[in-house]
Amino acid sequence: RKEVEQDPGPFNVPEGATVAFNCTYSNSASQSFFWYRQDCRKEPKLLMSVYSSGNEDGRFTAQLNRASQYISLLIRDSKLSDSATYLCVVRDNFGNEKLTFGTGTRLTIIP
Amino acid sequence: EPEVTQTPSHQVTQMGQEVILRCVPISNHLYFYWYRQILGQKVEFLVSFYNNEISEKSEIFDDQFSVERPDGSNFTLKIRSTKLEDSAMYFCASSEVGTSGNNEQFFGPGTRLTVL
Repeated sequence: RKEVEQDPGPFNVPEGATVAFNCTYSNSASQSFFWYRQDCRKEPKLLMSVYSSGNEDGRFTAQLNRASQYISLLIRDSKLSDSATYLCVVRDNFGNEKLTFGTGTRLTIIP
Repeated sequence: EPEVTQTPSHQVTQMGQEVILRCVPISNHLYFYWYRQILGQKVEFLVSFYNNEISEKSEIFDDQFSVERPDGSNFTLKIRSTKLEDSAMYFCASSEVGTSGNNEQFFGPGTRLTVL
């Protein structure tokens, strides 16, 4: 089983739509969770951390379900500039700083 | 805004040659990392470095790889004898602290390594 699994997409959605991404992780000891975004041929950039209680940052909402080992990202009122690959990322604290990345879900917003 | 920088942006080398990829982490950061991303694949962890020593490395980081912090600002990744399968984008990252809280790892723009 992959450590971090995502639907690779692509997701093609019209501007203004709401889109949701899902991710599952295999290590129940994982402690920190993030969504990164990666534009074509660029470096990953942190979009938001994911907290146990769920958190929102503007149009973006992240949820974590530890029991199901499931993370989600919701983008409301999507913009053309949201087109990118969204990476689900997990870190197992306990002295490990490494980030474990999913393969990413590619999103294209259509005008 | 402070950022991680990497040089060169693109390196082309012949199989069997040694390459050194350079990174300048953000100045007050203490933890440094190398990741790689083969074209079309996921980002993979290679190594983390703290207090002038490797704190963790992956299975990819074999004897052909080494890291060094030769001075107070640079952090380098050396590949001793490159193979075709080393062709990838190599990202350097740094963070202020290690595992406490959801602290962010900041990534550099990457070095694209092409092994011919």
